[in-house]
Amino acid sequence: SQTIHQWPATLVQPVGSPLSLECTVEGTSNPNLYWYRQAAGRGLQLLFYSVGIGQISSEVPQNLSASRPQDRQFILSSKKLLLSDSGFYLCAWTRQGGSPDNPFQYFGPGTRLLVL
Amino acid sequence: GDSVTQMEGPVTLSEEAFLTINCTYTATGYPSLFWYVQYPGEGLQLLLKATKADDKGSNKGFEATYRKETTSFHLEKGSVQVSDSAVYFCAPWGSQGNLIFGKGTKLSVKP
Repeated sequence: SQTIHQWPATLVQPVGSPLSLECTVEGTSNPNLYWYRQAAGRGLQLLFYSVGIGQISSEVPQNLSASRPQDRQFILSSKKLLLSDSGFYLCAWTRQGGSPDNPFQYFGPGTRLLVL
Repeated sequence: GDSVTQMEGPVTLSEEAFLTINCTYTATGYPSLFWYVQYPGEGLQLLLKATKADDKGSNKGFEATYRKETTSFHLEKGSVQVSDSAVYFCAPWGSQGNLIFGKGTKLSVKP
């Protein structure tokens, strides 16, 4: 069966510090991978998605970046965190292509980030 | 702990039928409540939200009312279309500062 891991679960970081959040998927190959962010009181926002190694699409301009060094690994990074980066970060994957019979997007447990 | 129970699918309806997808939650206080939708082959999208008791969220003909007495946030639409076929997720904002997603309900609308 497929599983998706995220770590850390909770993170408190000072403003200006770097960030690295990791997401890995097991039990599938060549997935589409996604990073979302949920800020308090707001809806979920798609930050990045990737259809393959080294292929990253950014949905929203910001001081965050994403990388996909391996097929089932997706990393969210920042060189200098801002207060506004606080939120809940969710990694997700879907099967390549998708279909009406298998549209599911599987979510990781999430990382709660607090920037002080 | 915080949790959400969502109506299990799949739900299959004919075009113009009435839709209800039930959602109840357990959470501390009165959290903001969200419904998300995922269309085939696409990422998750916010459908509607309500931030306090008795609020009604609405979008694209869908509605959901925040009922604190029953801790429910049922999704309804009076007349579904084939284009509404998707997976729908109920998600309260948890006390730990995260979204608590339901398992999702797959809706198929037949012409």
